[in-house]
Amino acid sequence: AQSVTQLGSHVSVSEGALVLLRCNYSSSVPPYLFWYVQYPNQGLQLLLKYTTGATLVKGINGFEAEFKKSETSFHLTKPSAHMSDAAEYFCAVSDKGGGADGLTFGKGTHLIIQP
Amino acid sequence: DAGVIQSPRHEVTEMGQEVTLRCKPISGHNSLFWYRQTMMRGLELLIYFNNNVPIDDSGMPEDRFSAKMPNASFSTLKIQPSEPRDSAVYFCASSLRSASPGYTFGSGTRLTVV
Repeated sequence: AQSVTQLGSHVSVSEGALVLLRCNYSSSVPPYLFWYVQYPNQGLQLLLKYTTGATLVKGINGFEAEFKKSETSFHLTKPSAHMSDAAEYFCAVSDKGGGADGLTFGKGTHLIIQP
Repeated sequence: DAGVIQSPRHEVTEMGQEVTLRCKPISGHNSLFWYRQTMMRGLELLIYFNNNVPIDDSGMPEDRFSAKMPNASFSTLKIQPSEPRDSAVYFCASSLRSASPGYTFGSGTRLTVV
């Protein structure tokens, strides 16, 4: 069975500082990996995804993530935090591929931006 | 494109009452998912459909929960009878099966059972 672990339920950074949100996964097959963002009282929005090919994936709003198979990790980064980045971030995995199967989500990391 | 549309946005009901949540997927999408979000358990996949057919309902917590997709543009999630522990945000999401992975979420229905 696949699973996702997000280290740190809350992460606080200063505006302009590096954002690093950690995600580790387990999967018996090469995974498809995702990061979603959720703003208050809204649904989840896809930030970026890894399917195959280049292991460094760029997403929206200046975020990127790197798939490291040897570390079973898919950490999310952004060089310079902005106040508008404050939200809940979810890492997710699918080991079946395609758009037709359910994703397994981590518990989420609440990103706090300090002015 | 109006996105995935869920209704109602908020629902407050008394324990024992029937609750029906509704979802309209993105036009042309052929996969639909129902998720439940709580503080304790995070996001849980309840059930998903491909081409209107339920594929995996192993996440449906109890027989009190049922879901239907009578056509490609509409799905319902019903809870009968409802209990306070069903209080959560319920999300619907849709995708195009043949497309690259990942899907589009609706804004959710916040259910409160008192």
